Amino acid sequence: GQNIDQPTEMTATEGAIVQINCTYQTSGFNGLFWYQQHAGEAPTFLSYNVLDGLEEKGRFSSFLSRSKGYSYLLLKELQMKDSASYLCAAINSNYQLIWGAGTKLIIKP
Amino acid sequence: DTAVSQTPKYLVTQMGNDKSIKCEQNLGHDTMYWYKQDSKKFLKIMFSYNNKELIINETVPNRFSPKSPDKAHLNLHINSLELGDSAVYFCASSQDVIEGATEAFFGQGTRLTVV
Repeated sequence: GQNIDQPTEMTATEGAIVQINCTYQTSGFNGLFWYQQHAGEAPTFLSYNVLDGLEEKGRFSSFLSRSKGYSYLLLKELQMKDSASYLCAAINSNYQLIWGAGTKLIIKP
Repeated sequence: DTAVSQTPKYLVTQMGNDKSIKCEQNLGHDTMYWYKQDSKKFLKIMFSYNNKELIINETVPNRFSPKSPDKAHLNLHINSLELGDSAVYFCASSQDVIEGATEAFFGQGTRLTVV
């Protein structure tokens, strides 16, 4: 079957760095998205990776290893507003999105 | 300006009722979607419409019927509501025809509670 695994919940401290991991198993692969979802709000696009390596965008970076079926989202200089769920979604060979359940990130002062 | 807007944000209704959720996007996108996010937080696609034509129907009960009067609108009508329909429903749109080809823009969600 196709599935996405990511931790249910993580806690980090304001100003620190946190890495949220995602492993995927899909029928074919055409890239991976990360979305941020604040409680009670819509998911918003963070990043897209299709090639191996690190994509940096300000405080957020996303990494992909196609051979390992693995991605991570790296958040630096954490701020309280980063408290949210982070959804990983892989794209299969039919360009269908396979969504993870999200990782709830709790930031403490 | 709101890119993807859906109404209502909250909907509480009794079992057996019929209800509709409306969605509109002003991004000029060709494709719109309905997703269901259940209590376990998984997002599951229900329908996809490209320029008023249905292109995905992911085994949802036929009590759910999407209606697209034009490519900027995709409404969701639900007949004979059941307790298990309680969830958050998200409307989304994207530029490309295919779900995973480009990033999606989501509405704020409709929290449906069936009592």
